[in-house]
Amino acid sequence: QVQLVESGGDVVQPGTSLRLSCAASGFIFSSYAMHWVRQAPGKGLEWVAATSFDGSNEYYADSVKGRFTISRDNSKNTLYLQMSSLRTEDTAVYYCARDRGLYGDAFFDYWGQGNLVTVSS
Amino acid sequence: DIVMTQSPDSLAVSLGERATINCKSSRSVLYSSNNKNYLAWYQQKPGQPPKLLIYWASTRESGVPDRFSGSGSGTDFTLTISSLQAEDVAVYYCLQYYTTPQYAFGQGTKLEIK
Repeated sequence: QVQLVESGGDVVQPGTSLRLSCAASGFIFSSYAMHWVRQAPGKGLEWVAATSFDGSNEYYADSVKGRFTISRDNSKNTLYLQMSSLRTEDTAVYYCARDRGLYGDAFFDYWGQGNLVTVSS
Repeated sequence: DIVMTQSPDSLAVSLGERATINCKSSRSVLYSSNNKNYLAWYQQKPGQPPKLLIYWASTRESGVPDRFSGSGSGTDFTLTISSLQAEDVAVYYCLQYYTTPQYAFGQGTKLEIK
């Protein structure tokens, strides 16, 4: 069965960096686009970033553009989110999610359990 | 940017009764070339990730009970639970994927038992 397991969440200070990982199993990872979606405490869902099946295309929400980088290693079945210049408003549970398509232009069909990132001084 | 607005923000329905959640898009999400509405619905229970219920506005995901249905086209969409069960208590979100890679979720509707 499809499994997505996030890791790397932590409590960090504003202005610092952090890298999240998402280990995928149960499907052919290299055949699907992947996303990061976040949810601030008690709030709704916000799409953050996407990468195409082969990592050749990356897309970002305006709120994280220039600060976050999405990447993937298809040989390790792992998705990454490198976050830098973190702000308090980046505090959220970060979910990795599978796209039903190749290019990051479809809906999300499977989600990980999420990983909490807290940015606080 | 497309803005998705759900109504109501919260809803209390008796067990066995119908629950209806609305989602309105600021622009049409109907793609004329394939006549598909780029609209999905998700269910999120407390402490859990979202779960896909409906895509293309009305296609039920495999394994989702048939009491869940989606309808609508263009800018106005509805998620209907025909006979509310206790396990349906959750927050429900609509998502437009018409303007990918810029996705937009609705703000969520909290469904409770009356």
